This record gives sequence, C-alpha cells and structure tokens, in this order.
Amino acid sequence: GAVVSQHPSWVICKSGTSVKIECRSLDFQATTMFWYRQFPKQSLMLMATSNEGSKATYEQGVEKDKFLINHASLTLSTLTVTSAHPEDSSFYICSARQGVQSNQPQHFGDGTRLSIL
Amino acid sequence: QKEVEQNSGPLSVPEGAIASLNCTYSDRGSQSFFWYRQYSGKSPELIMFIYSNGDKEDGRFTAQLNKASQYVSLLIRDSQPSDSATYLCAVLLLTGGGNKLTFGTGTQLKVEL
Repeated sequence: GAVVSQHPSWVICKSGTSVKIECRSLDFQATTMFWYRQFPKQSLMLMATSNEGSKATYEQGVEKDKFLINHASLTLSTLTVTSAHPEDSSFYICSARQGVQSNQPQHFGDGTRLSIL
Repeated sequence: QKEVEQNSGPLSVPEGAIASLNCTYSDRGSQSFFWYRQYSGKSPELIMFIYSNGDKEDGRFTAQLNKASQYVSLLIRDSQPSDSATYLCAVLLLTGGGNKLTFGTGTQLKVEL
C-alpha cells in the first residue's frame, strides 16, 4: 500500500521551456502532498506544501510564480517549472501523506530528474 | 545549529554486523520521527517511524527515541550488502506555518562482504 507515482522520470529540455511534473497517489487519497528538491550530495529541501482544493504554501525563497502547483484532486498534484533555466536542474521529488493527521508518514514518488540545457 | 544533524559517514560495517545510525534534533517540541532509506539516484523509502520514547522494532530494524536527549537512532541487525544506502533521519517540526518534515543530510552506510 501507499504507492506514489511520479512522472516523468527524466526530462531534458532547452532553457526557457516550461516543464510539468505529475504526482499521483495510487491506492490512497492524499489531502496533502509535498514537493521537494534535492541537489547532488545534499538532503531534501521542501519547496512547497500542496493542499487539495486550496493554494499551495511555499517555503521561503521559493518563487511561487516560477514553480506553479496545482492540487485539483485527492490523488493528483502537479508542479510546473515555468521558463526553466540551467540553475533549475535538479532532482524533484513529490510525497503524499496518508491520512489527515500531520504526524502520518510521507510516501515518496520515484522523483523526476530535470536537466535544463 | 542545524535542525536535524547526522554524521555523513560513510559508516562501514561487515556483513552480518549491527549498523547503528544516529540523529540529533534541535527542536525539543518535535513529536514525530522518521527514518528513510535512499539508494543512489532514487527517492527516499520509508523504513520506520517512531513517536514515543523507547524502542520500536520491525524485522531487522529497531528505532530508538530519547526525547530528553533529543536523539533518535536506527539499528540494523544482520546487515546485508543490500542495506548499503544513505539513511535519512526526518523530524516533524512544528513551525509558524504548520508542521514541516525536516531532513538531515543523511548517513551513508556501506555493508562490506
């Protein structure tokens, strides 16, 4: 149980392109999903918290106009990196929390490796 | 002081030995603690979570929590080469903006034949 699917796994695109990443909870409903970014040899950094039916909450330093988050259903959240540039190249990972209590574990998708040329 | 601290390692143990991974955290109000395993190039996988002081066992894994010392550890018994990975400690912190899961930088474990 608690499977989270993330697509695509890899994206390579030119600078200035917008990239959309999908995160789906396959066997449970996720009121809250999370988007993280991980640079090589570093830990996960939370970018934003996505709540179904409401606006996402962004961490300090994360541009909400550049990283658009939509959580339109209890099983799907999307992250769109708009006008991506080489410095946006990173490993983007979503997670979904099973249950409504904040202390429930988060389950992670397989991640999306984004490379901007 | 980092919110969640781990020794980056690598921690090398022989196959069959007990691997002990440690984590300290700064927020005394933290209530929930998680251990994730991350293989190179992959996303984290939940190993265990613990909420109360003491030990929690699941198969070869034991999580230990000491809130007074702000310390949480993960023991892996009968270590196998497949256990070689980076182990991330994560702590649920209560912030002004809501609860936030904060990760340590991870400890790299190498289990040698």
